[in-house]
Amino acid sequence: LAKTTQPISMDSYEGQEVNITCSHNNIATNDYITWYQQFPSQGPRFIIQGYKTKVTNEVASLFIPADRKSSTLSLPRVSLSDTAVYYCLVGDISNNAGNMLTFGGGTRLMVKP
Amino acid sequence: EAGVTQSPTHLIKTRGQQATLRCSPISGHTSVYWYQQALGLGLQFLLWYDEGEERNRGNFPPRFSGRQFPNYSSELNVNALELEDSALYLCASNLADRVYEQYFGPGTRLTVT
Repeated sequence: LAKTTQPISMDSYEGQEVNITCSHNNIATNDYITWYQQFPSQGPRFIIQGYKTKVTNEVASLFIPADRKSSTLSLPRVSLSDTAVYYCLVGDISNNAGNMLTFGGGTRLMVKP
Repeated sequence: EAGVTQSPTHLIKTRGQQATLRCSPISGHTSVYWYQQALGLGLQFLLWYDEGEERNRGNFPPRFSGRQFPNYSSELNVNALELEDSALYLCASNLADRVYEQYFGPGTRLTVT
């Protein structure tokens, strides 16, 4: 599994766009990038997944440069309810050998009014 | 569609006792995963069950065990409880071909006194 590095915490204000970057220098050819969101005392929630370029859904966008050594989760116009921990995971989604997710420390996003 | 459910929501036990936690996956999901999240820490993989069999386990002692029933629901048993077992226990499920898209339940907060 590729090691990931994310900022420990970030602050933002309501209505701003938030970009959280994840470094994964050792990403393998078959690896995908997946982001989860976790609110206090709740289980993580799958947000978005991508392999290259850009992926967008109703919640967020994921930008992946050509070298794939990093990725950026973009949350448009955040609100107070977006305050959570965001985890970046990298791995082969077809790998059945382990199937468990390896969560790092994540990025604690605090959205202020 | 109902999500992953877990019971009980909270569980208080004393040291040395046994705890049993239950999980029902999303309908159609055959894999169930258990994770432990101690307060303020990341998720640690505990166990993975698929089609009734234990497929993988994390770095936890044998007193953490479980099983998966024919209806794919699962039970996590923790014997000889220790104070450091106090944590949020999360269950997740996924479709067989969506390894990195796991759906988590709300968790069981286990407190050992």
